[in-house]
Amino acid sequence: GAVVSQHPSWVICKSGTSVKIECRSLDFQATTMFWYRQFPKQSLMLMATSNEGSKATYEQGVEKDKFLINHASLTLSTLTVTSAHPEDSSFYICSAREAGNQPQHFGDGTRLSIL
Amino acid sequence: AQSVTQPDIHITVSEGASLELRCNYSYGATPYLFWYVQSPGQGLQLLLKYFSGDTLVQGIKGFEAEFKRSQSSFNLRKPSVHWSDAAEYFCAVGPYNTDKLIFGTGTRLQVFP
Repeated sequence: GAVVSQHPSWVICKSGTSVKIECRSLDFQATTMFWYRQFPKQSLMLMATSNEGSKATYEQGVEKDKFLINHASLTLSTLTVTSAHPEDSSFYICSAREAGNQPQHFGDGTRLSIL
Repeated sequence: AQSVTQPDIHITVSEGASLELRCNYSYGATPYLFWYVQSPGQGLQLLLKYFSGDTLVQGIKGFEAEFKRSQSSFNLRKPSVHWSDAAEYFCAVGPYNTDKLIFGTGTRLQVFP
């Protein structure tokens, strides 16, 4: 149980384009979803937290106009990297949890490479 | 300040040997503690969690962890390591609702046959 699916797993695109990453909870209702960024050989950095039907809460230093997050249903959240540039290249991981003090369950991540 | 420290960046063990990965935390409130494992190019899998009760917690894949409040530690152990355990291990601490997890920098485990 508690499976989180993230798609795509790998994307390469040109600088200036926008990229959308999907995060789905397959067998539970995710009241809260999280988006992380991970640099090579480093830990996870929380970018934003989103609750279903509400605006996302961004961490300090994360540009909300560049990283658009939508959590329209209890099973789906999307992260759109707008006008992506090479410095946005990274490994992006989503996680989701049910209501209450349930642990976060993670997707398999998306490797984004901007040329 | 709230933080998680994993003192060992890289650990190498032989298959069949015992393993202990260290985790120390600094947290102002009652901590909820987690261990996650990450295989290369993949997301994180929850190994075990501690919320309350018995301070020795059993997880998946034969792992266990012990919460020691006096030492602010939550070390992960396994009595006999398998080659498939080679991965990156992250300790994390969070509040009651498990939002705002703070992750350690990870320990890379290498297993030799």
